[in-house]
Amino acid sequence: DVKVTQSSRYLVKRTGEKVFLECVQDMDHENMFWYRQDPGLGLRLIYFSYDVKMKEKGDIPEGYSVSREKKERFSLILESASTNQTSMYLCASISSKWAGYEQYFGPGTRLTVT
Amino acid sequence: AQSVTQLDSQVPVFEEAPVELRCNYSSSVSVYLFWYVQYPNQGLQLLLKYLSGSTLVKGINGFEAEFNKSQTSFHLRKPSVHISDTAEYFCAVSLTGGGNKLTFGTGTQLKVEL
Repeated sequence: DVKVTQSSRYLVKRTGEKVFLECVQDMDHENMFWYRQDPGLGLRLIYFSYDVKMKEKGDIPEGYSVSREKKERFSLILESASTNQTSMYLCASISSKWAGYEQYFGPGTRLTVT
Repeated sequence: AQSVTQLDSQVPVFEEAPVELRCNYSSSVSVYLFWYVQYPNQGLQLLLKYLSGSTLVKGINGFEAEFNKSQTSFHLRKPSVHISDTAEYFCAVSLTGGGNKLTFGTGTQLKVEL
């Protein structure tokens, strides 16, 4: 079974702190994604990566950065957390071999910024 | 760019009743279509997907969906729901040309009542 794990299920941080969200997948997938989920807005893509050290902006990259130093790990970084970044963050991975594969999701990290 | 519309944000239904969750999409190129389910405090998991071929697609847990190209719809149905189907359901599309990026709808909360 594909497994995507996220470092924390719940996280509380203060405004201005630097926040790291970690995601690890164990299926040797090339592509990894970070989404933000908010009520009534669905899932919105923040950043994605097609390969190690490669990254591309999604639909809402402002205030975020990412790092992919190893194939299995994709980190989301909030450089200076703000209250409007309080949200559920979901990581996903998928094989790049063809477009019909499904994305596999982690359990999510619920981040609260106070 | 492609987009997905889920018109119903909440659908209440009694146990053992049938249900239909609506999904319409917009795209200038051909797409793959997906339905994901999110149970409380969990990540997303795939219910079913349409890639090509038969327009009626069967998924897990007794769900099915029908692809209608002329109406650009991919509605999800189940003939008899169970309490355990209470969850949020997301429709998503990806381009057949590759990239594996998903565009999600805003989600439909299905609440099954006794």
